[in-house]
Amino acid sequence: DTAVSQTPKYLVTQMGNDKSIKCEQNLGHDTMYWYKQDSKKFLKIMFSYNNKELIINETVPNRFSPKSPDKAHLNLHINSLELGDSAVYFCASSQDIRGGTRLSSYNEQFFGPGTRLTVL
Amino acid sequence: AQSVTQLGSHVSVSEGALVLLRCNYSSSVPPYLFWYVQYPNQGLQLLLKYTSAATLVKGINGFEAEFKKSETSFHLTKPSAHMSDAAEYFCAVRASSGGSQGNLIFGKGTKLSVKP
Repeated sequence: DTAVSQTPKYLVTQMGNDKSIKCEQNLGHDTMYWYKQDSKKFLKIMFSYNNKELIINETVPNRFSPKSPDKAHLNLHINSLELGDSAVYFCASSQDIRGGTRLSSYNEQFFGPGTRLTVL
Repeated sequence: AQSVTQLGSHVSVSEGALVLLRCNYSSSVPPYLFWYVQYPNQGLQLLLKYTSAATLVKGINGFEAEFKKSETSFHLTKPSAHMSDAAEYFCAVRASSGGSQGNLIFGKGTKLSVKP
């Protein structure tokens, strides 16, 4: 059974288009993340959701909008795609305990296989 | 703010030789540290983690890492490299302050090549 799955695995599209990447986890975790890996392999957090609530929103253009219909899913919608959006996007999940605004458990994150987005 | 520095973007060893991948961290609070491995065209897989228990942490595939507070280091080692160890290795610290709590802060990665 796949723990964290993403679709599609590859996505090739033209500049200006709108696209979505889906992520699902069957681990029963309550926190999900989106990371971006650039061409130099550098990984950076984009968003984090805990129980469908946005926790982290790094300095990401508002063309990127995460949506969490339930705690097992965290989808990423991107509007008006640009060349610089080309990267590999990873979804991850973990089991964390949230008290107020703090995440107080430090379990490891489980990553999906990634979605390679190419904008032409 | 926390950060991680991986020394050496590329390390090459011979099969059977010692593997040493270096990671230094910066953190004003006790850190939670992780090593992940990424095989070509795949996602990240956890090798091991340090969460303030034993300072010598054993992971999968024969890897281990030692947390040294005095040196702010968390270097990854394996006594004998195997061809299948060729991959990209990432050291990460768990953010524990500010608005970005809970996410991982990654180093820039070290590509390990293993020569026959």
